[in-house]
Amino acid sequence: KNQVEQSPQSLIILEGKNCTLQCNYTVSPFSNLRWYKQDTGRGPVSLTIMTFSENTKSNGRYTATLDADTKQSSLHITASQLSDSASYICVVRFAAGAGNNRKLIWGLGTSLAVNP
Amino acid sequence: NAGVTQTPKFRVLKTGQSMTLLCAQDMNHEYMYWYRQDPGMGLRLIHYSVGEGTTAKGEVPDGYNVSRLKKQNFLLGLESAAPSQTSVYFCASSRVLQSSFADTQYFGPGTRLTVL
Repeated sequence: KNQVEQSPQSLIILEGKNCTLQCNYTVSPFSNLRWYKQDTGRGPVSLTIMTFSENTKSNGRYTATLDADTKQSSLHITASQLSDSASYICVVRFAAGAGNNRKLIWGLGTSLAVNP
Repeated sequence: NAGVTQTPKFRVLKTGQSMTLLCAQDMNHEYMYWYRQDPGMGLRLIHYSVGEGTTAKGEVPDGYNVSRLKKQNFLLGLESAAPSQTSVYFCASSRVLQSSFADTQYFGPGTRLTVL
């Protein structure tokens, strides 16, 4: 069972609108959480990285939030642009612990389409 | 500064054939990784390297071999390709081991491999 769940699976919005993507995780022990953007046919590009002590981190029009108590994160996109059309992937890292080798667990992503 | 490059971009193999995927990075990164991305699954780590001359197994290493003879290059080999290895392969590099919270992985554009 994937320990990182993202919702919605896909989303269509109009250019200029805002949207919020969700990520719930059960990874434990938790080290950090990152959001990646993956354009069709390209490799993922890092947007933000947050540790358990960080609640919010912004990167331009992208704002990520983290609630380590409820194990939830969100990615908010403001004033969407056509170039925001992509898959957004939540990735959670294990902290050091027996057997997990501090590995990364990748979510399946939310596919966002921004229409004119 | 090209970042991370991968060759080839596309390849079709017959079952049992062999091939090598090449990854090159010009950022002087110590760490390099090979992932595969399949529909309905998150990225999965195949092998990684923490420096020239060293390699280690990831989550799904079976059927693959790797070599890191030069710091800037990381090769992924398939000795006897199987249809289950049909996938998109991504190479990535980072300054520090992915266990560090501050690391950012930089990805290549991917290689789309089909095994018939």
